[in-house]
Amino acid sequence: ETGVTQTPRHLVMGMTNKKSLKCEQHLGHNAMYWYKQSAKKPLELMFVYSLEERVENNSVPSRFSPECPNSSHLFLHLHTLQPEDSALYLCASSQEYTETQYFGPGTRLLVL
Amino acid sequence: DQQVKQNSPSLSVQEGRISILNCDYTNSMFDYFLWYKKYPAEGPTFLISISSIKDKNEDGRFTVFLNKSAKHLSLHIVPSQPGDSAVYFCAASGASYDKVIFGPGTSLSVIP
Repeated sequence: ETGVTQTPRHLVMGMTNKKSLKCEQHLGHNAMYWYKQSAKKPLELMFVYSLEERVENNSVPSRFSPECPNSSHLFLHLHTLQPEDSALYLCASSQEYTETQYFGPGTRLLVL
Repeated sequence: DQQVKQNSPSLSVQEGRISILNCDYTNSMFDYFLWYKKYPAEGPTFLISISSIKDKNEDGRFTVFLNKSAKHLSLHIVPSQPGDSAVYFCAASGASYDKVIFGPGTSLSVIP
């Protein structure tokens, strides 16, 4: 596989569930990102990892917990989410910390 | 307060004509600008970028113009094709910023 992949593509979960989103990049990049895309809002940056260390956390609620076990994989662990967390969650990667980011297809999350 | 604005949520253009998508920014520290294209259910795809040392960058049917004094950039697509129908995001970054700031997007429909 090439590029940035994300699984699952769609996820429906209850507010008491625990789930994880997975992102994998096959581009040899060193930086990975989680974004949230809500309807009619700009894309919101959630977390940034560079060389497997978290370098940015944009005041994201603790019910979202990222994990970067190596430079190719990024997870977003979800627990006790709220309905307003329903959105498209996009993963991206870039070489070092450059501006050009390559995005995965996203996971469409619905919290009931 | 949005630092990157795309004031037209949607735009319709006839096939073969020019599409012009506009973007305004407020922070004079931004010095690198990008356009992303996003189809439904997919992640954004990098389209074209421009550095503040230039006022124009061209790539095939896509041209980005930058007016630094007006803090305005635009993306021109000519000729427009039905496959160009997508949401276009303007984004900006600067040397002192670690992240890319996205606008809310403009939905382009190219009518055959």
